[in-house]
Amino acid sequence: DIQMTQSPSSLSASVGDRVTITCRASQSISSYLNWYQQKPGKAPNLLIYGATNLQSGVPSRFSGSGSGTDFSLTIGSLQPEDFATYYCQQSYSNVMYTFGQGTKLEIK
Amino acid sequence: QITLQESGPTLVKPTQTLTLTCTFSGFSLSSSGVGVGWIRQSPGKALEWLTHIYWNDNKGYSPSLMSRLTITKDTSKNQVVLIMTNMDPVDTATYYCAHLRASRSYEFDYWGRGTLVTVSS
Repeated sequence: DIQMTQSPSSLSASVGDRVTITCRASQSISSYLNWYQQKPGKAPNLLIYGATNLQSGVPSRFSGSGSGTDFSLTIGSLQPEDFATYYCQQSYSNVMYTFGQGTKLEIK
Repeated sequence: QITLQESGPTLVKPTQTLTLTCTFSGFSLSSSGVGVGWIRQSPGKALEWLTHIYWNDNKGYSPSLMSRLTITKDTSKNQVVLIMTNMDPVDTATYYCAHLRASRSYEFDYWGRGTLVTVSS
């Protein structure tokens, strides 16, 4: 099974900060890595697919990078609406998918 | 416009079988590159992928839950059904169904609102 490990588990930042969240796979997953944002009481929202591709409608301050085992999600300049929990998800094995444990981004 | 909606019981007793239905619109599960998945989230916990089914009827199941899960599709009704047997209080969670875009990087690009299922006697 492919395990996904996110870091940090939680993060405090201020509006306007640049923030990076990382996700590591237990084996190479090429670029089959997706990122989601989830706000309390809401369904997750797809931000990035294929490690680097911005989903339609998602602000350009969100970007993704990485391949193989190490990936990152960067928010260029935090906005108040960006405070949420972020999850990575591997889709390399199209028989079995895995989510990371989540990173909670809080206001400092 | 793609929409998905989960339906089913909100309360089940331990050892009972849970049946959830995902009713969708805006796409067809007979179209190549399309799938539907089920993901759950226990209160205060992370997302957990459970299962998915593709347009060609290929399926995937979480290894830890495989023995308890069944996913089926009814293309004519635009529905996907999740069956989970032998429910336990630890299965209390919000269950989401989501559109799976298998034509790109296998991502869940549209989600239902989720349905909270509580397992209690």
